[in-house]
Amino acid sequence: DTAVSQTPKYLVTQMGNDKSIKCEQNLGHDTMYWYKQDSKKFLKIMFSYNNKELIINETVPNRFSPKSPDKAHLNLHINSLELGDSAVYFCASSQGGYRPSYEQYFGPGTRLTVT
Amino acid sequence: DQQVKQNSPSLSVQEGRISILNCDYTNSMFDYFLWYKKYPAEGPTFLISISSIKDKNEDGRFTVFLNKSAKHLSLHIVPSQPGDSAVYFCAASGRLDYKLSFGAGTTVTVRA
Repeated sequence: DTAVSQTPKYLVTQMGNDKSIKCEQNLGHDTMYWYKQDSKKFLKIMFSYNNKELIINETVPNRFSPKSPDKAHLNLHINSLELGDSAVYFCASSQGGYRPSYEQYFGPGTRLTVT
Repeated sequence: DQQVKQNSPSLSVQEGRISILNCDYTNSMFDYFLWYKKYPAEGPTFLISISSIKDKNEDGRFTVFLNKSAKHLSLHIVPSQPGDSAVYFCAASGRLDYKLSFGAGTTVTVRA
C-alpha cells in the first residue's frame, strides 16, 4: 500500500544511454514533483506537474523530459546520460495546486549511477 | 546559490537529552518553513512546519523556533529517542514560489 512508489530503486547504466524512471502515487493528489539529490545532499526541485500540466521547470538540461500520462503518474526520461547525472532522484506528490503548507509525500528514491 | 543552509552536517546526542538542529536562510521572501525527516533508503517525510506569522510551533516532542530578523530557525527534539536517528532537512518557500528550497540536511545520531 505504498503511497508514492518509484521504479526502479537502483539503476546502473553507461554514459550515452537513455533511461526512464517511473513514479506512481495512489493518494489522489493533483500535484507531482521530481527532485534530484546530488552528491552534496541538497534536494533540488526539477519539475512539478499539476493535473498533468507542467508548472515548474527548473534549469534542467533538456535531456531530461518529464511525462505525465495521468494525474497518478509522473515519469522521468533521461536521454544521453552523463556522469554528472549520477544522483538519487525522488518523486513526490501533494494535494491540490502547490502550496508550501500542503505536505509533500516522497517516494523511496531511485539511485542512478552512470559509468 | 543555496538559499537554505544547514551548517552542521551531523549531530550526536545521548538518549533522553535535547537535540537542537539549526537552519539559516538568505531569501527574505521566504514565509513558510518546514522540517523533513529521512531514514536511509526511504524518502523524506514531513515532520513539522511554521509560518512566518509565528515564532514557535510545537508538536509533541518537536518544537520549531523561527527568528525572522536573524533569518534563522531551529528544531528542538526533547527528549531524543533512538528512533529519532535520521537525516533532518530544513526547507523553505515564499508566497510567490511554487517550490520548496531544501538545505543539505543534518544527520542526527541518538546514542543509547
